[in-house]
Parts: sequence; C-alpha cells; structure tokens
Amino acid sequence: EDQVTQSPEALRLQEGESSSLNCSYTVSGLRGLFWYRQDPGKGPEFLFTLYSAGEEKEKERLKATLTKKESFLHITAPKPEDSATYLCAVSLYGGATNKLIFGTGTLLAVQP
Amino acid sequence: DGGITQSPKYLFRKEGQNVTLSCEQNLNHDAMYWYRQDPGQGLRLIYYSQIVNDFQKGDIAEGYSVSREKKESFPLTVTSAQKNPTAFYLCASRRQGDKETQYFGPGTRLLVL
Repeated sequence: EDQVTQSPEALRLQEGESSSLNCSYTVSGLRGLFWYRQDPGKGPEFLFTLYSAGEEKEKERLKATLTKKESFLHITAPKPEDSATYLCAVSLYGGATNKLIFGTGTLLAVQP
Repeated sequence: DGGITQSPKYLFRKEGQNVTLSCEQNLNHDAMYWYRQDPGQGLRLIYYSQIVNDFQKGDIAEGYSVSREKKESFPLTVTSAQKNPTAFYLCASRRQGDKETQYFGPGTRLLVL
C-alpha cells in the first residue's frame, strides 16, 4: 500500500534554532514529492516539488531534499512567522488522476 | 489576480439536508479536485475532474456528488447520505502535464447543527 509518513508530529523550536522535518514514503512509483505549508483555517500553500533523488530546492529559510526513501525540509534560523503545519504529499506513476497522497503533517511552532 | 476561490468559508448543515460547496478558478486549469481534511489525518481525495463534463470518484466518494459543466467551476454537494460530514473541504486545480503542481483554495469548513 502506498504510504506517506511525516515526523515528528509536532516540533517546537526557539527562534534561530535550525532543524529538519522528515517525510518518508513507500510507494510503487514516485512521480513527484510536494511540500506545502498550511496555516490554521487556510488552504495549503505550495512550497516545493522534487522529482528525483539528489534534487534540492531552496526558498528563503527553507530547503527541501529528496532521497529514494524520504525527503527532508530543513529550516535554517527559523522565525515565529515560520510557524505552521508543513504537509508532504506524493504523486505516483501509473495513475491517471495525478492525485496526491498526503502525510498527516508536522506542526511547527517557533517561539521568539 | 488569478486564483481559486471557495465559498462559503463556513457552512452549517442540518440533519437530512444536502448542501453545496462552491469552487471557482480563473487559472485556466484543466483538472480540479476535492479533498477532505480531518484532524490527525492526511487530506483524502473525494472526487476529481480532468475535463469538462467528466469526473471520477476518489477514495472517499460515498455521500458526495459533483458536476463539471464549466472549466472554471467544480461544485461539491454533500448529501444526507454522508453521515459524518463535519470536516474542512479543500478544492484544488492543476494544469495538465506530468510535472504540474496542484494549487489549493482557502477551504470551506462544514459543521453539522
């Protein structure tokens, strides 16, 4: 069964304290891996797409990396405004839907 | 200003009532999706549509119905057959193509009275 697991479920950091969020996946054929940010009561906001192992993408304090089994979202020197739930999702080859399979998310709280 | 709009932001349903959630996009995207989000669970696919006048069931379609009469619009009806409708409903859209991204609307929270 295709599955996406995110860890930790929740993470509390002090402002400036760098850390990483993990997204591990067991799927039949990965087409792409997506990271989204979701604020309370709002829709997910697209951050990154990764397609092949070894690929990396950066945006401000965030950097996403991909291996054959997992992806990491590295947060460097976070600020309180980085507090949100970070969602990981995968799309698969072989399906016509391009549907996304989501993990349950990591709730990040950055304290000043 | 292109984007996806969902309305209403909050919706209250009485027992036995059908309610319809609106989703409109002006991004000229071909495919549209409806997901349901519950606490502690990942988003789950309800229905999707890749072209006008065609749609397919997702993983949890029971108790829901959709239509796709226009490219811009993909309304979702939560019927009385859906016994646990309380959730956050998210609409998404994407262009056709292998490496295209799904973009999400702001969501509708459905509550049962």
